[in-house]
Amino acid sequence: TQLLEQSPQFLSIQEGENLTVYCNSSSVFSSLQWYRQEPGEGPVLLVTVVTGGEVKKLKRLTFQFGDARKDSSLHITAAQPGDTGLYLCAGGSQGNLIFGKGTKLSVKP
Amino acid sequence: GAVVSQHPSWVICKSGTSVKIECRSLDFQATTMFWYRQFPKQSLMLMATSNEGSKATYEQGVEKDKFLINHASLTLSTLTVTSAHPEDSSFYICSAYRSYEQYFGPGTRLTVT
Repeated sequence: TQLLEQSPQFLSIQEGENLTVYCNSSSVFSSLQWYRQEPGEGPVLLVTVVTGGEVKKLKRLTFQFGDARKDSSLHITAAQPGDTGLYLCAGGSQGNLIFGKGTKLSVKP
Repeated sequence: GAVVSQHPSWVICKSGTSVKIECRSLDFQATTMFWYRQFPKQSLMLMATSNEGSKATYEQGVEKDKFLINHASLTLSTLTVTSAHPEDSSFYICSAYRSYEQYFGPGTRLTVT
């Protein structure tokens, strides 16, 4: 059974701080997605990584896919209150996604 | 980007009644759609995979007779919660698959009284 473990589960930081969220598995994934979800809404796709070692940047967010395609990280630089939300990693193949339990991020002004 | 809509966004029903939730891909055709359930402060739990023109594939522990899924066209999948009970109250989210990615609808909040 493929599992994705996210850490930390909860993170509360001050505006301007940096943070990293990790997503780890013992299984290899053909691709890995990161989503952000706000309360009462569906997840919004942030990025998809498919190549081992790949690094993608989305403004202040940096996503990295591990060389072995078993793990990924999300780094946010100078966090802002607008970054508050639930961050989910999901790995999969052939369309089926397995979700991590999520990291609930709270950025205080 | 791909747009997926859900209707209704929230619904309140009485115990024993049935509720239908629609999931539409608005700007692309989706041969595969997924239905998830999410409890408060938890991650998404896959309920079933909906394939256009064929029977849905249900995850272990999900009652197929209770959660009826129909994927009649390339842009529409429906989830019907039959004989709803208070324990069925949850946030139901659909997604549509395109080019190795899933695009999610905004979710439907179901409350069974």
